Amino acid sequence: DQQVKQNSPSLSVQEGRISILNCDYTNSMFDYFLWYKKYPAEGPTFLISISSIKDKNEDGRFTVFLIKSAKHLSLHIVPSQPGDSAVYFCAASGGSQGNLIFGKGTKLSVKP
Amino acid sequence: DAMVIQNPRYQVTQFGKPVTLSCSQTLNHNVMYWYQQKSSQAPKLLFHYYDKDFNNEADTPDNFQSRRPNTSFCFLDIRSPGLGDAAMYLCATSGGRNQETQYFGPGTRLLVL
Repeated sequence: DQQVKQNSPSLSVQEGRISILNCDYTNSMFDYFLWYKKYPAEGPTFLISISSIKDKNEDGRFTVFLIKSAKHLSLHIVPSQPGDSAVYFCAASGGSQGNLIFGKGTKLSVKP
Repeated sequence: DAMVIQNPRYQVTQFGKPVTLSCSQTLNHNVMYWYQQKSSQAPKLLFHYYDKDFNNEADTPDNFQSRRPNTSFCFLDIRSPGLGDAAMYLCATSGGRNQETQYFGPGTRLLVL
């Protein structure tokens, strides 16, 4: 019973183009959403987050969009760079003490 | 730089032989977490400490224990590792003004022979 779903296990994008990673959730109690980036043999690195009271948050090349009515969020990376190649995890919280529920991740490959 | 440190990065143990993984942090965060991540799966929360208060997830096996002797350190003890416990173990912290964002260490890869 996955509460956070990333339905695309992988995504391949050309350098310079936009990467769009998607995430869906089922628990309407979630009120804070995060994206993490993970390189092989390393821990997840915090990338960007969004509160449920907002619908957009931007940080440089990274923008997260939240559509609460659809229980959907997405991460946009533009322009994509080869160094962005990694596994991206969507996570949500809303329970006690901010416990995070993670999706299974999407592996992004940015080709030069 | 403030960070979350995990030692060792790779740990090999034998079936049934107790093993301890360690985590330290210089962020002075009050919450510390332990996650287990198996290949191609989402990280799964095992337990966390809110200051000294221990919070165990309902489905965390009794084989997994934790200790937090002070703010900076947290240990994961696996009393009798089985082959199914081979995984990446991630430590994370949260605290300060933004309690909801967790910061992860590099992880310890556990191999059980």
